[in-house]
This record gives sequence, structure tokens and C-alpha cells, in this order.
Amino acid sequence: IAGITQAPTSQILAAGRRMTLRCTQDMRHNAMYWYRQDLGLGLRLIHYSNTAGTTGKGEVPDGYSVSRANTDDFPLTLASAVPSQTSVYFCASSTQENQPQHFGDGTRLSIL
Amino acid sequence: EDKVVQSPLSLVVHEGDTVTLNCSYEVTNFRSLLWYKQEKKAPTFLFMLTSSGIEKKSGRLSSILDKKELFSILNITATQTGDSAIYLCAVEAQGAQKLVFGQGTRLTINP
Repeated sequence: IAGITQAPTSQILAAGRRMTLRCTQDMRHNAMYWYRQDLGLGLRLIHYSNTAGTTGKGEVPDGYSVSRANTDDFPLTLASAVPSQTSVYFCASSTQENQPQHFGDGTRLSIL
Repeated sequence: EDKVVQSPLSLVVHEGDTVTLNCSYEVTNFRSLLWYKQEKKAPTFLFMLTSSGIEKKSGRLSSILDKKELFSILNITATQTGDSAIYLCAVEAQGAQKLVFGQGTRLTINP
């Protein structure tokens, strides 16, 4: 089934540890995005990539890094997790035309 | 700074009622406004609006955009318990291909 796959579904992590959230799409969309969703704040953009090989910073990029080696994969890395990064993380993708973004099911991350 | 404000933040109604959800925005070089429905997991796309005054409709849901007053509404008629969800509004600026989301409206439909 075409779509976006995120892994893991949920994770509990000790502060200071490194963590990579995975995102894979099979729709051949050029653009991909990472958001975090926190209660009362809606979804906020962390990083994005308009096409393979390029990335850009969103609204809340600090403490996160991304890479886009190919069209399908867009991993998000927390180099040294902190409790304020406890959140639900959503990956999304879209074509570069005026089309809506499609979202994965999210990763619930808890940093202790 | 681009900004999206949704109201109300929370709404509880009875099955069969009609509800109106509001979304106001400030964005440089507006391109489109989108509505999403979020139940347990992924937000799912409802509508994309680019032109003022043209209603988009899907079953019991409809939405319209006012680019002069910078707002949009999402109407749901004859609500059902399955309409219970968080409804998210987002705007996209020209050339940005990035969405700015509002806080969401949590809608609860009681039987």
C-alpha cells in the first residue's frame, strides 16, 4: 500500500542518548517534512527537504538534524536527546506542485 | 511571522448538531489554506482552498475561504460520533512549500 512509513511507533529514551527516527515514502514525492506535535501548540515544522540532496530548517530545528540521500528516505536524528524533545513526531511528503502534504502515523517519543 | 489561529480550541456538541470551526491567518504571499482531520494518528487531508468565495464540499463537510478578511470556516452538518477528532488548519505561502499550522480544534460529538 502506497504511503509513508514511520519507525519506531513509540520509543522511551534516556536523556543524552542519540536517536534516529525513520521515515520512508513510496509515492516518489519530491518534498518531505518533519513536524513535532505538542499539546496546545499544533504541528511545528522541524526540517524539510524539497528534493533529494537538499534540506532546510523549519520553525524549531535546534537539537535535530536530517539527511536526504535519496527520494524515499528522510531520517530525523536527535544527537543528544533532552526531555523537552518529548513529543509526537510526524513525517510528511508532497509533490512540488500545489498538492497537499500526506502524513505518516507518527512516532511517540518520550525522553526521561 | 506567519501565524494561524483556530477557534474554538475545544467544542462539545450532540450528534445531529451543525458545527462551524474557524481559522484566521496572517501569511506573507498567501498560496493556499488546508484543513486536516486528525483522529488517533496521522492527520488526513480534507480540503485545500486557494480562491475566495468558492465553497469546497465533501459529504457533510464544507469549507470556504475569505482572502480579504483572512479567514476560513469548516462546517460539519448533521454531526456523527465519527466526526470526533482534532481539526487542523494550515496555510502555505507562495514558493515556501511549508505549512504553518494552527493549534487545532478538538471536536467531541456526544451520542
